[in-house]
Amino acid sequence: KAGVTQTPRYLIKTRGQQVTLSCSPISGHRSVSWYQQTPGQGLQFLFEYFSETQRNKGNFPGRFSGRQFSNSRSEMNVSTLELGDSALYLCASSLEAGHLSSYEQYFGPGTRLTVT
Amino acid sequence: KNQVEQSPQSLIILEGKNCTLQCNYTVSPFSNLRWYKQDTGRGPVSLTIMTFSENTKSNGRYTATLDADTKQSSLHITASQLSDSASYICVVSEDSGGSNNKLTFGKGTLLTVNP
Repeated sequence: KAGVTQTPRYLIKTRGQQVTLSCSPISGHRSVSWYQQTPGQGLQFLFEYFSETQRNKGNFPGRFSGRQFSNSRSEMNVSTLELGDSALYLCASSLEAGHLSSYEQYFGPGTRLTVT
Repeated sequence: KNQVEQSPQSLIILEGKNCTLQCNYTVSPFSNLRWYKQDTGRGPVSLTIMTFSENTKSNGRYTATLDADTKQSSLHITASQLSDSASYICVVSEDSGGSNNKLTFGKGTLLTVNP
């Protein structure tokens, strides 16, 4: 079974631009969660989608948004990029909602975003 | 405020030795606690998931313990190998009874295993 894939793997953007990241979950998984990881803050939860609906949201500004398609693929968008948005963005998939249950979450390799 | 504190921040051990990583949390009400291993440049990989009723769980050379009364968990690595060099992250899920359950992450322990 193919794992979680994320594209692109690396991205360099300029402050003020916007960016869209993509995540394809493991086949059959319906939940996709997004995380931001920085050296200073560690892993921080952005949001979770399940059956095309946002089920859970972390404490990030509205510039961070996402969506999930009927095939469970998910995209994350960051508008008006700031220098502090430079981070590794990880997505994870699970069979069901990852926080409420004990289902395993499987992480992708991440997208390394650099904002200059 | 929910917090997850991990210690030590970093640890260096010799190959073949055992080690124990600690995770203390204040998350309440508690749903589950997960330990992840993250190799440099890769996404985290789940090692164990424990719910309230579980106090020990093993995954090969990795054994996690949970004391829900004292809100402490530990991850014990036996007979360490060079490939165990990674960051180990403790994550606690809050059970708020609805769909808005929150995850609280520790900042991780960076383990280096030297030959």
